[in-house]
Amino acid sequence: KNEVEQSPQNLTAQEGEFITINCSYSVGISALHWLQQHPGGGIVSLFMLSSGKKKHGRLIATINIQEKHSSLHITASHPRDSAVYICAVRSYNTDKLIFGTGTRLQVFP
Amino acid sequence: NAGVTQTPKFQVLKTGQSMTLQCAQDMNHEYMSWYRQDPGMGLRLIHYSVGAGITDQGEVPNGYNVSRSTTEDFPLRLLSAAPSQTSVYFCASKTQGWTGELFFGEGSRLTVL
Repeated sequence: KNEVEQSPQNLTAQEGEFITINCSYSVGISALHWLQQHPGGGIVSLFMLSSGKKKHGRLIATINIQEKHSSLHITASHPRDSAVYICAVRSYNTDKLIFGTGTRLQVFP
Repeated sequence: NAGVTQTPKFQVLKTGQSMTLQCAQDMNHEYMSWYRQDPGMGLRLIHYSVGAGITDQGEVPNGYNVSRSTTEDFPLRLLSAAPSQTSVYFCASKTQGWTGELFFGEGSRLTVL
């Protein structure tokens, strides 16, 4: 079992829908990152969380340390949100980043 | 502000050839790292550095060498390329400590025939 699990693996939505991507992890962490990767493109950091909730525009990230779970929400989704979203955790013990395999999101007009 | 710059973006090698992937950052970040991304797997750490003159192995270091002679540059060397090293490679940097935001290069797609 991977130390970082994301669900769903693939997600399709109609423009305007509310999107939720989940990340569960099994190790103690000092921080959790949400990253975005467009097709053929580089990787961009969206959020870094150690507790609570953060919001940037239409994106909201939450983390529950006790339940070892984080969610990334996209409100009023748009075709330009189509990308792979990657969850990564920084292990408290090793200080290394452990990456999930990503969630591929496609938003259709 | 260039951020993290990786070159080349694409490269095709024959088995046994050597090459260097270049990575440079202009943000004065102490921490730099190399990852490989393969289908169906999360990014995996190859090597990392916490400052000039200091490097360490990651999860999948075999077949790769690194050096860090300056804060800005962190090249990744393949001494004798193998087909198993066909992958997309990403360089990333951040400030020291767990609070640092990650900055990635645009990736280098390497094919070894």
